[in-house]
Amino acid sequence: AQTVTQSQPEMSVQEAETVTLSCTYDTSESDYYLFWYKQPPSRQMILVIRQEAYKQQNATENRFSVNFQKAAKSFSLKISDSQLGDAAMYFCAYRRGGGNYGGSQGNLIFGKGTKLSVKP
Amino acid sequence: DVKVTQSSRYLVKRTGEKVFLECVQDMDHENMFWYRQDPGLGLRLIYFSYDVKMKEKGDIPEGYSVSREKKERFSLILESASTNQTSMYLCASSLYQGPNQPQHFGDGTRLSIL
Repeated sequence: AQTVTQSQPEMSVQEAETVTLSCTYDTSESDYYLFWYKQPPSRQMILVIRQEAYKQQNATENRFSVNFQKAAKSFSLKISDSQLGDAAMYFCAYRRGGGNYGGSQGNLIFGKGTKLSVKP
Repeated sequence: DVKVTQSSRYLVKRTGEKVFLECVQDMDHENMFWYRQDPGLGLRLIYFSYDVKMKEKGDIPEGYSVSREKKERFSLILESASTNQTSMYLCASSLYQGPNQPQHFGDGTRLSIL
């Protein structure tokens, strides 16, 4: 079974600095997708960034970028120029790819989350 | 933008009560999900549905049931609420079950069972 591990329960960063959140996963699949979700104190979970495992190029979305190391099964999130609005819980998630994703096989598997604080 | 609406932000119920949590999405999404979120445990899938009247168990279905009579609405039912079901409940939807389809979440319902 696939698992997702976020080893940092809490992180803190100074405003305008850069922070990296860690995520590792365990799978025997070669085709899968990885996601980072953000849950601000207002509680609505939103998608930050996603990465297809077959793509070697790391995904970027404005100040958010990932360091995807497929061989190491690592998927870290880098937030540049941190802002107060980046304070939130961040969840890493895995989903298998391929053509057979019916039923439970296509569901997201979440890590336990990292709480990010941003200091002014 | 996709809107996933959960009927209550906060709910307080008593042990043994039958509790209904409602979720509605406005984007004609095929798939809907119910998660439970607890500190230190992340999100755990309770049930999901990939079509009207279709449902499948997730990782922690015990003590819960679901109903999907209409495509836009997915209800989570606690048949006989217990204190260990005190938690944050999140509903989500996605267009279809493809691996690159993001899930869109509601604001969550914080449920307390006394």
